[in-house]
Amino acid sequence: DQQVKQNSPSLSVQEGRISILNCDYTNSMFDYFLWYKKYPAEGPTFLISISSIKDKNEDGRFTVFLNKSAKHLSLHIVPSQPGDSAVYFCAASAKLAGRRALTFGSGTRLQVQP
Amino acid sequence: KAGVTQTPRYLIKTRGQQVTLSCSPISGHRSVSWYQQTPGQGLQFLFEYFSETQRNKGNFPGRFSGRQFSNSRSEMNVSTLELGDSALYLCASTGTDYGYTFGSGTRLTVV
Repeated sequence: DQQVKQNSPSLSVQEGRISILNCDYTNSMFDYFLWYKKYPAEGPTFLISISSIKDKNEDGRFTVFLNKSAKHLSLHIVPSQPGDSAVYFCAASAKLAGRRALTFGSGTRLQVQP
Repeated sequence: KAGVTQTPRYLIKTRGQQVTLSCSPISGHRSVSWYQQTPGQGLQFLFEYFSETQRNKGNFPGRFSGRQFSNSRSEMNVSTLELGDSALYLCASTGTDYGYTFGSGTRLTVV
């Protein structure tokens, strides 16, 4: 049972346009959400996060939106650049038995066309 | 500060063999988690260690095991390798914040 779902395995956008990556979750216990970016042959690197007490967090070209009622979050990249081409993983965190664990989605491969 | 170090970077093994992968977390981090990445499957959680104790385990067969040493370094072992075990194995360490810092991974190929 996938608790964090990224239903789009791939996305292609033109340079300069907006990239929107989506993520859905099912576990109401998740209270912190993160996005990771992964290039081939490298480990994922942290990109941006959001707490469940917020509905938006912005960091430069990257903005994450959280819709708790819909159990949905999205990552917006504006403007998209060729260097943004990578696999993006959504992750959700819950505190269970006094500790936190991250659950990852299956990833979305973003291709930004020059 | 040094990041998460995983060794080796690449490994080729034959079916039936066993393999041991190593992970050195960021200095001061006591929690180490292991993930398997295969195409289309995202990051599948293997297990997490904290202060030499396994705190959580994913849904993998008993052929997958791990341990953590007193210096927080961790190893994972896969016995009786199968072709389907070919994957990128990622280790992440975490301190007191919410996020994980990943190593570059070990690419295991089983032939």
